[in-house]
Amino acid sequence: NAGVTQTPKFQVLKTGQSMTLQCAQDMNHNSMYWYRQDPGMGLRLIYYSASEGTTDKGEVPNGYNVSRLNKREFSLRLESAAPSQTSVYFCASSEEGQGAHGYTFGSGTRLTVV
Amino acid sequence: GENVEQHPSTLSVQEGDSAVIKCTYSDSASNYFPWYKQELGKRPQLIIDIRSNVGEKKDQRIAVTLNKTAKHFSLHITETQPEDSAVYFCAASITPSWGKLQFGAGTQVVVTP
Repeated sequence: NAGVTQTPKFQVLKTGQSMTLQCAQDMNHNSMYWYRQDPGMGLRLIYYSASEGTTDKGEVPNGYNVSRLNKREFSLRLESAAPSQTSVYFCASSEEGQGAHGYTFGSGTRLTVV
Repeated sequence: GENVEQHPSTLSVQEGDSAVIKCTYSDSASNYFPWYKQELGKRPQLIIDIRSNVGEKKDQRIAVTLNKTAKHFSLHITETQPEDSAVYFCAASITPSWGKLQFGAGTQVVVTP
């Protein structure tokens, strides 16, 4: 099993360009998440999807949109990139309920906006 | 919403010594507390977790303790080794739910030979 797969691994954008970060999981998890990681700030939740067909805002949603395409896939879109969106982006998935055992993270996307 | 504070932000220990990282949380309804280890350039990986019906959990050289009354939990690493050098994140969430985690800011642990 691949777990959580993210693409691309690296990306450089010019201010104002758009792009979509892709994420897919093969663990049959219901819940998926997008986090950004900045130095000294830990991991901050951008958007999450509790189950197929639902999405909701996290702590830092401004400038982003998401699509839960199906149970496996959860994409993050930057419509008009800004330098403040330079960050490392992690997708994650998890089971729900008392049996949950934390997140499984993808390998990350390092995004630079110039 | 939940707020998780983590201390210290950096920790330097001699190989063989113990390391302790502490986190506090704000929401008394939180009942799931995982710890993640992130090596340089890698993804965070779950190393241990604890639920609110348990006070302590151990897995070889790592242990986590939870004080629900004081709303804090700690990660203990004994007999540290150079491969323990990494950033460690604590987190808290309320379950059963869809499992949203609130992370601490992280602790950079450096183990010197």
